[in-house]
Amino acid sequence: KAGVTQTPRYLIKTRGQQVTLSCSPISGHRSVSWYQQTPGQGLQFLFEYFSETQRNKGNFPGRFSGRQFSNSRSEMNVSTLELGDSALYLCASSLGQYLSGYTFGSGTRLTVV
Amino acid sequence: ELKVEQNPLFLSMQEGKNYTIYCNYSTTSDRLYWYRQDPGKSLESLFVLLSNGAVKQEGRLMASLDTKARLSTLHITAAVHDLSATYFCAANFGNEKLTFGTGTRLTIIP
Repeated sequence: KAGVTQTPRYLIKTRGQQVTLSCSPISGHRSVSWYQQTPGQGLQFLFEYFSETQRNKGNFPGRFSGRQFSNSRSEMNVSTLELGDSALYLCASSLGQYLSGYTFGSGTRLTVV
Repeated sequence: ELKVEQNPLFLSMQEGKNYTIYCNYSTTSDRLYWYRQDPGKSLESLFVLLSNGAVKQEGRLMASLDTKARLSTLHITAAVHDLSATYFCAANFGNEKLTFGTGTRLTIIP
């Protein structure tokens, strides 16, 4: 059974650029959540998509956006990158139903220079 | 405010010893999770605790949940070096958003 696939694994971008990260959930899972992990702020929730709809949103600026496609794959986009956006971005796959658990992908390490 | 607090933040212990990591949360939670993270790696699911009094064990790790005290514990028995990692607890509060604790960096010393 394939796990959660995140691409790319590593990215280096320059301030002001934009970036798109991708997450393919476990087959049959309809919910994808995104988290940002930094040494200073820890693990913070960005947003959750279920059946192509954003169902929950964290406290991040509008530069952070996402979407989900009909095959449940999800992308998140960060525009006008800032140095503080350097982080490990993790996506989590879930059935999206009450009491279902979460499986995390390997993450994308974004470095903004 | 929804909060999940872990302690200690850092834990250095000798092989063979027992210790407990504590996780307090601020309000009624649907589910309590424990994850392990190795340096530079993703989160590995260890336990999901659903109800008061729930206890789950896997190898040298045992997790429990007391919903009345809003407390979960992760107990390590006879620690071995392979258990060195950062451990996170996380909780759901009525939706699919996970609120994570700060993590406990565990180092097992031979």
